[in-house]
Amino acid sequence: DTEVTQTPKHLVMGMTNKKSLKCEQHMGHRAMYWYKQKAKKPPELMFVYSYEKLSINESVPSRFSPECPNSSLLNLHLHALQPEDSALYLCASSPGTGSEKLFFGSGTQLSVL
Amino acid sequence: GIQVEQSPPDLILQEGANSTLRCNFSDSVNNLQWFHQNPWGQLINLFYIPSGTKQNGRLSATTVATERYSLLYISSSQTTDSGVYFCAVGPGNKLVFGAGTILRVKS
Repeated sequence: DTEVTQTPKHLVMGMTNKKSLKCEQHMGHRAMYWYKQKAKKPPELMFVYSYEKLSINESVPSRFSPECPNSSLLNLHLHALQPEDSALYLCASSPGTGSEKLFFGSGTQLSVL
Repeated sequence: GIQVEQSPPDLILQEGANSTLRCNFSDSVNNLQWFHQNPWGQLINLFYIPSGTKQNGRLSATTVATERYSLLYISSSQTTDSGVYFCAVGPGNKLVFGAGTILRVKS
């Protein structure tokens, strides 16, 4: 299994809603990532988890809350988002925590109304 | 932080043509990767290439770390090569993406 699986593929939410994005990998990778990609822009790093611990937070607003319940699963909890948070949210994983090849999921397209 | 510049920003090719995409970066890095994002948004890792040369079918890449650039070669292009090509560089796993090259291959 060489896939990173993200659910849901599409999500529409209001500014007062609470929702979660889910990411799963079964490749035994020890690092997992959240990236945000606005339309016609490159992906931007949000969070990195190494060995299930948060190792990088790129000054992301607290309305985005990551969670890594185990080595295969990564969640992104969303609360009180703004319309400008609408974007493609990409999850990725890598075998190790250093300079490693990155594998991406297909993303969740989020629209905030 | 690290600056990453990709060129050209846009490229239109006739099917069967060859092309070279360039990635320049501002600092020494130990991680450089090339990705292809297809029209459906999926990012595919083409190469992990912090230095040296690699080939995979019609694609090859070369990174000259001492001169801070990398090249991606696409030969005999096909319509399925269309999409955005990103170079991403970093110290360790903290990758910074370039703005990308939008490639359109016409049949």
